Amino acid sequence: EPEVTQTPSHQVTQMGQEVILRCVPISNHLYFYWYRQILGQKVEFLVSFYNNEISEKSEIFDDQFSVERPDGSNFTLKIRSTKLEDSAMYFCASSVETSGYNEQFFGPGTRLTVL
Amino acid sequence: TQLLEQSPQFLSIQEGENLTVYCNSSSVFSSLQWYRQEPGEGPVLLVTVVTGGEVKKLKRLTFQFGDARKDSSLHITAAQPGDTGLYLCAGAKNDKIIFGKGTRLHILP
Repeated sequence: EPEVTQTPSHQVTQMGQEVILRCVPISNHLYFYWYRQILGQKVEFLVSFYNNEISEKSEIFDDQFSVERPDGSNFTLKIRSTKLEDSAMYFCASSVETSGYNEQFFGPGTRLTVL
Repeated sequence: TQLLEQSPQFLSIQEGENLTVYCNSSSVFSSLQWYRQEPGEGPVLLVTVVTGGEVKKLKRLTFQFGDARKDSSLHITAAQPGDTGLYLCAGAKNDKIIFGKGTRLHILP
C-alpha cells in the first residue's frame, strides 16, 4: 500500500542552524502539507502546497519557513534559523484532492530537536 | 479560531465494554476525519465522513457525523486491548485539517 515517507526520522541541530526536512508524498497525490506537533500538544497545520505554490499557510509558518518541491517526488520543509521552540515532530501529508473527502495521509514524522 | 473539542480526554475501561468518544466544534467542516496515533508516529487515517448524519462502520468502530457537520462521535463495541491508543478527530476546512487534542483510550485486559 502506498505511503508517505519522511527523512530523517530524527534530526538534532544547534539553535540558529538551517535544517531541511524531506518527504516523499504518495505518487498520485497532488496536494502536500506540513504539520507539526510539539510534545504533548495537538497536531498543528503549517502549510499546504499545490501546483508548485503555497495554497494556504498558518501564522506559525513565518519567514523562517519555506517549502519546495525540487523534483517530481520530493517535498521539503526548510527552517532557515532554528529556534529552541521549533523542537517538535514534523509530519508531511498528502492528498488527492482538497474538496469533498480531503483525505490526508501522514508520514511517520521527523523528530526535530534544537539544542 | 476554529477549535475541535474532544471528550473525554482520557478513558480507561475494561475489555469487553462499549464506549463513545465525542468531537465537537462551533464550525462547519466539509469533512471530518478520525485518526489514530501511536506514540512517536504519524496519525493513521481511520475514516472520513462527509455528509451530515453519515454513519460509517469499521469492524467494531462506528463513526457518526452530526447533521450540521459540526460534530462527530466514535463508538467502540466490545473494546479490546488492541484498541488502546490516541484517537484524533480532525475537521477539513479549505486546504487544511484542524485537529483536536485527542482522546487517550486505555483498554484494560
